[in-house]
Parts: sequence; C-alpha cells; structure tokens
Amino acid sequence: GAGVSQTPSNKVTEKGKYVELRCDPISGHTALYWYRQSLGQGPEFLIYFQGTGAADDSGLPNDRFFAVRPEGSVSTLKIQRTERGDSAVYLCASSFDGSGEQYFGPGTRLTVT
Amino acid sequence: EDQVTQSPEALRLQEGESSSLNCSYTVSGLRGLFWYRQDPGKGPEFLFTLYSAGEEKEKERLKATLTKKESFLHITAPKPEDSATYLCAVRSGATNKLIFGTGTLLAVQP
Repeated sequence: GAGVSQTPSNKVTEKGKYVELRCDPISGHTALYWYRQSLGQGPEFLIYFQGTGAADDSGLPNDRFFAVRPEGSVSTLKIQRTERGDSAVYLCASSFDGSGEQYFGPGTRLTVT
Repeated sequence: EDQVTQSPEALRLQEGESSSLNCSYTVSGLRGLFWYRQDPGKGPEFLFTLYSAGEEKEKERLKATLTKKESFLHITAPKPEDSATYLCAVRSGATNKLIFGTGTLLAVQP
C-alpha cells in the first residue's frame, strides 16, 4: 500500500513569509507525528496527533509553529514569519494507533533565505 | 531527561567485514527502542522494535539486541548497499514521541 506522502518535497521561502507543509499518512493510521531534522542530527519531535486532536505539542519551538489535522487524516504544519533558523527537513510519520512503530514520509526540505 | 547516544559517529567497513553499532540510552520507563535506516535525501525507514532486555531481532544481515542500558545493531558480512545512516530512538514515558540519537553513518566499501 501507499506510504506516508509529504508535499512539497522542497520549499524555498523568504524570511518573514508564511509556509504550509502537508502530510498524508498511511490509510487507517490514527496517529500522526511531525519531526524536524537538521543536517547531521537525528529527527527532533514537534507534535503528535491522535485522531483530530494534538495529544502532545511539547516539541513546537514557539508560537510561530502550528499544526492541524481537521478530519483525522491529512495534517498541515504551518509556520508564520519564517526565520533562517527554521531551515531544516520536516518529517511526518504515522502509526496505526500510537503504540507501535512509526513510518516516515520522505520529508519536506524547507530553506528560508 | 531522556537521552540517546550513538557511537561511533561514522564507520567505514570493507565489504564482508562484520561490526556493531552502539546505542546507549537513559529513559524513565522504556516503552520501546527503535532502529531506523536513513538514506541520503529520504525519510527514516523502520527496521526493528525491541521492548525488553534480552530481546533480539534479525533481518537479513542485521541483528538488533537490547540490554537495560544499550542496544547494539550487529551487521554481518555487510555489502555496499548497507551503506546508510542508522538511527536509534526510544519512546519514553507517557508520550508516544520518539527521542532520536544523532545516528551512525556507515560506509561499506567494495
């Protein structure tokens, strides 16, 4: 079956602009996660959804970052007033019910100029 | 604070030269230790989950083992296609978030 998909694969934006990153989880997976990965580092947790609600958003770095999952499937990560330090690969993962292994998408590479 | 440390940072092997990667962890209430493989420009690919000390899992040339403080990923007779970054992560406590190490970059030369 289809895996986790993310769009766009690459996004270049200017400092101060607003961006949206999209994640389509594996069909039937109720849990969805966002991570951020900088060069040479492991993924860093941002937020976890169980169904439509954010069960843990403790990894969001500040209030410029926000994520939604209105129908319990597709999720959008929104970043306002982007800064150069936001440049990274944003990874989305899903799991069947939150207790098992997480399957990752290919990521969106965000570059803020 | 939950923490994962991987060593070495990089490892270069000749084809057929077996070795092990280490993942040390400190966590309050382990609810799973995970190994992933990541190729350049791609997302992490799930390999194994281990839940309790003494547990072992195998897949082709890879075997993962777990103790109360660390996990090893043993690579037997590696091939060039095994070249990748191998990431270790733990799921801790009441949350489902994964805490990752920085990975081991493995290069297998023919």
